[in-house]
Amino acid sequence: NAGVTQTPKFRVLKTGQSMTLLCAQDMNHEYMYWYRQDPGMGLRLIHYSVGEGTTAKGEVPDGYNVSRLKKQNFLLGLESAAPSQTSVYFCASTTTEKGAYGYTFGSGTRLTVV
Amino acid sequence: DAKTTQPTSMDCAEGRAANLPCNHSTISGNEYVYWYRQIHSQGPQYIIHGLKNNETNEMASLIITEDRKSSTLILPHATLRDTAVYYCIVGPRTGGFKTIFGAGTRLFVKA
Repeated sequence: NAGVTQTPKFRVLKTGQSMTLLCAQDMNHEYMYWYRQDPGMGLRLIHYSVGEGTTAKGEVPDGYNVSRLKKQNFLLGLESAAPSQTSVYFCASTTTEKGAYGYTFGSGTRLTVV
Repeated sequence: DAKTTQPTSMDCAEGRAANLPCNHSTISGNEYVYWYRQIHSQGPQYIIHGLKNNETNEMASLIITEDRKSSTLILPHATLRDTAVYYCIVGPRTGGFKTIFGAGTRLFVKA
C-alpha cells in the first residue's frame, strides 16, 4: 500500500516554462488536495477535489490549474512558471469512509523556478 | 474551520516528556483536534486525534480540556528523532478544504 505518491520529487524550471505535477493515491480516497509550503510557513491550499471530475479553488489558486480525470490521480499544472512559485508542493487525500480520520500526505515535490 | 494558536518553538531534553500546547478557542462541536508532525521537508505525518476524550497511541498522548478550547500533545520520552515541526489543526473527521495548517511549533530535542 503506497499511500500518496508524488512525481517528480525535484524539478528546476525556467521562468515561463510549464509543467505538471502528478499525485496518485491507492486508498480509494474521495478528496484530494494540493498545498504549497514556503520556508518557515504552514501549508496553503491551492486547489482541491471532492471527487472524480470535480475541482475547486483553495486559498492561493492563481497561476495553477488542476484536473482529476481519474479518482486516484490529481494533477497540478503550472502554465507559465514564475519565481514566486518556487516552493515545496504537497498532495494529500482524505476519505469519508467510516473509521477513517485525517489526511494522508505525499512526500512532496520541491520546485525551483529560475 | 477553527484556527489554532501554537508557540513558535520549544526545547526539550532527550528522554524527558515534551508537552506541546495548542489553543483552539473557536472549535465547533463536530470538529476534531488533530496533530501532525513534519520532519525536515517531508510530508506531514499523522500523530493522533481526538474529539472530547483524552487519547493515547504508540506515538503520543492527547489531552483535551473539558471546554475543548485547548489541548496538549505529550511525547512521553522525547528522542532526537522527535525534532520536527508539530501542527495542531481542527476540522471535521474527513478533513476538508477549510482546514488551516498554520506555522506549527518547532520542537528541538537536545541531547
